[in-house]
Amino acid sequence: DIQMTQSPSSLSASVGDRVTITCRAGQSIGIFLNWYQQKPGKAPKLLIYAATSLQSGVPSRFSGSGSGTNFTLTISSLQAEDFATYYCEQTNSNLRTFGQGTKLEIK
Amino acid sequence: EVQLVESGGGLVKPGESLRLSCAASGFDFSTYTVNWVRQAPGKGLEWVASISSSSLHIYYADSVKGRFTISRDDAKNSLFLQMNSLRAEDTALYFCARDLFWSRVHYMDAWGKGTTVTVSS
Repeated sequence: DIQMTQSPSSLSASVGDRVTITCRAGQSIGIFLNWYQQKPGKAPKLLIYAATSLQSGVPSRFSGSGSGTNFTLTISSLQAEDFATYYCEQTNSNLRTFGQGTKLEIK
Repeated sequence: EVQLVESGGGLVKPGESLRLSCAASGFDFSTYTVNWVRQAPGKGLEWVASISSSSLHIYYADSVKGRFTISRDDAKNSLFLQMNSLRAEDTALYFCARDLFWSRVHYMDAWGKGTTVTVSS
């Protein structure tokens, strides 16, 4: 299986901050990388697919970058509704794997 | 509106079986790959299994291979997960999710709310 490692595991930030979450793949996965947001008690929500493509309806303050083994999710100016847990997912392999998650908390 | 509604969860003992269902609506179910993803209490997401249209391609996570079986009934717009030989570590909220792809990159764009499976003696 392809291991996905996110950093940090948790992060405290304030409304208006610029935040970056990193995801590293255990082997090169091209752009086969997606990002999801999950709020407590809710299903995950797709934010970014294919490393950089913004899902329809997702605010433009979210952006993704990277290829190969290193990827980032950036929130340009945090809003109150962005406090959640974020997961990366690789789909380069038929056996998909998620990162362990990054919990974004209010400072 | 795309909707996915899971059902069939419950409390079972180790070694027992359970069958989960996912009812789809608002899209042409038969043409999509669909997935099961689970989340243990307080833990992260774990992909469990996927099944392509016409059941041509089926894949399982190593943690469930040989114990779980994914299937679909396109006439009933339904996805299933037959879970046998259940273990305590299978305790989780189970989501079904629709799969899309762009330039060969697969991603899950629609999710149900999940059904809870608890395995405990």
